Amino acid sequence: QQQVKQSPQSLIVQKGGISIINCAYENTAFDYFPWYQQFPGKGPALLIAIRPDVSEKKEGRFTISFNKSAKQFSLHIMDSQPGDSATYFCAASMDSGNTPLVFGKGTRLSVIA
Amino acid sequence: EPEVTQTPSHQVTQMGQEVILRCVPISNHLYFYWYRQILGQKVEFLVSFYNNEISEKSEIFDDQFSVERPDGSNFTLKIRSTKLEDSAMYFCASRQVYYEQYFGPGTRLTVT
Repeated sequence: QQQVKQSPQSLIVQKGGISIINCAYENTAFDYFPWYQQFPGKGPALLIAIRPDVSEKKEGRFTISFNKSAKQFSLHIMDSQPGDSATYFCAASMDSGNTPLVFGKGTRLSVIA
Repeated sequence: EPEVTQTPSHQVTQMGQEVILRCVPISNHLYFYWYRQILGQKVEFLVSFYNNEISEKSEIFDDQFSVERPDGSNFTLKIRSTKLEDSAMYFCASRQVYYEQYFGPGTRLTVT
């Protein structure tokens, strides 16, 4: 019940295309859903996050869509660029983020020109 | 922009040796975490620390692990007797009050 399931494992997108990464969870007590971006050899960097009181959050080219009834959330990267090539992790936590993050297994995104 | 820092960036040690990984969290943050990431796998929670004590730990965080905040700035993870399976990236993270956790660049631990 603590798991966060992430798909796909890897993704190849053309430059300028839309990258979509999906996550699903079981624990309805989760109330904070961040996405992290990780480049090789670096730590995860917070990209964007959402709480369940909204269904969508947009920051620049990055959008989180949240479906509370389906217990799913997704990251959309518009106009994908080669510099977006990285591993993306979804995560979830409870109690306004007070509990540790539970991470998905990650999606390796490659944006090709 | 404030950031979490970690030292060393890479630590090589022999099996059975003790290692201490160091972290300097963001200065006004109150909650501190250690996570680890085995090569190619997901990030896993080890321990959280608040008000000078452990607030939560995972099943990975057994008696071989300990954490300490020896002064007002450093936050350390000690592994008493390293095993081959402890080889991983270890990330420190910190949080102010609610929500956002900020991660350091990690320490790559290699146990030979």
